[in-house]
Amino acid sequence: DVKVTQSSRYLVKRTGEKVFLECVQDMDHENMFWYRQDPGLGLRLIYFSYDVKMKEKGDIPEGYSVSREKKERFSLILESASTNQTSMYLCASSPHTGTEAFFGQGTRLTVV
Amino acid sequence: QKEVEQNSGPLSVPEGAIASLNCTYSDRGSQSFFWYRQYSGKSPELIMSIYSNGDKEDGRFTAQLNKASQYVSLLIRDSQPSDSATYLCAVLNTGGFKTIFGAGTRLFVKA
Repeated sequence: DVKVTQSSRYLVKRTGEKVFLECVQDMDHENMFWYRQDPGLGLRLIYFSYDVKMKEKGDIPEGYSVSREKKERFSLILESASTNQTSMYLCASSPHTGTEAFFGQGTRLTVV
Repeated sequence: QKEVEQNSGPLSVPEGAIASLNCTYSDRGSQSFFWYRQYSGKSPELIMSIYSNGDKEDGRFTAQLNKASQYVSLLIRDSQPSDSATYLCAVLNTGGFKTIFGAGTRLFVKA
């Protein structure tokens, strides 16, 4: 079974903190994604990566950055956390372009 | 206009009935379409993928695609209370790298 593991299930951070969300997949997938999910807005793509050290902006990249130094790991960084970044963050991976995505369990981040 | 639109619901059906979930998309060049199910507090999981016009059946689930109308649907036959969840329609954009999700339709199946 494909496993996508996110480092934390729940996080509470203070405004202005630098926040790291980690994601690891164990199936040698090419593509990895970070989404945030908010009520009524669905999943919105923050960043994605189709290869090691490659990254592409999604629809809402402002206030975020990413790092993919190894194929299995994709990190999401909130440079200076703000309250409007309180959300559910979902990491996903897919084997190739155009194929299904496998999701991690999600990280519910609260910024206070 | 949103890129992928779904009726947010909730859609309520009795046990044993057919649930019909609908989705429209704006990118005419899209080639890959997916339906995910998401239980409350859980992550989305794939139910069906469809790439060609017509119907695709898998057990109690049927996905229907009409590219000319930019419309994709999911039918759930013999609905069960365990089918109660949010169903997300997802469309791969023309470039092939970005999957755009709809906001989801909440389905309730009443026992």
